[in-house]
Amino acid sequence: EIVMTQTPLSLSVTPGQPASISCKASYSLLHGDGKTYLYWYLQRPGQPPQLLIYEVSNRFSGVPERFSGSGSGTDFTLRISRVEAEDVGVYYCMQTIQLPLTFGGGTKVEIK
Amino acid sequence: QVQLVQSGAEVKKPGSSVKVSCKASGGTFSSNTISWVRQAPGQGLEWMGRIIPFLDVANYAQKFQDRVTITADKSTFTAYMEVSSLRSEDTAMYYCARDPGATPFDVWGQGTMVTVSS
Repeated sequence: EIVMTQTPLSLSVTPGQPASISCKASYSLLHGDGKTYLYWYLQRPGQPPQLLIYEVSNRFSGVPERFSGSGSGTDFTLRISRVEAEDVGVYYCMQTIQLPLTFGGGTKVEIK
Repeated sequence: QVQLVQSGAEVKKPGSSVKVSCKASGGTFSSNTISWVRQAPGQGLEWMGRIIPFLDVANYAQKFQDRVTITADKSTFTAYMEVSSLRSEDTAMYYCARDPGATPFDVWGQGTMVTVSS
């Protein structure tokens, strides 16, 4: 199975400052159809996860512009340009190029 | 607007089974894949398996292959996930999530807490 490794495990950020989360896959997520099957989710405390970014860099409907995704092949990054209080929670990357679908271990973002 | 509504919390004895439901409303059901994701207390997300109701085909993570059964009833727009031979390590929140293709897991159920305790 494809192993997804996220760093850091946790992040404490001052409001208004940027934040960055890395996700590395053990196998390329680039498919022969040209798409890269990497996604980002945010799980706020006590809630189910919600989709933020699909196919590396596309913001899902309603996701603020301060969230952006980048990367290719096996290395990916989620960036928050200016962290707000509502961004607190655990961020997960996930791959869907191969079964079983696998998630990264999560990165907990807190506000200083 | 598609919504997924799951059945309520369960408390089960070790060795018993539990069946969790996930009812879809407000959108298409049969053509979308429904996955089940487990989250043990304080832990991360773990994909268990999925079903495509239209094809009635299910896939499972190897870890869950022997004890988990995922089914769907197209007539009631409901997916089910059953875990047998429960053990304490199965204590977790279980989520269903829709996968329409380009935006997987864009809709999630509210979660069902299953507690396994003697």
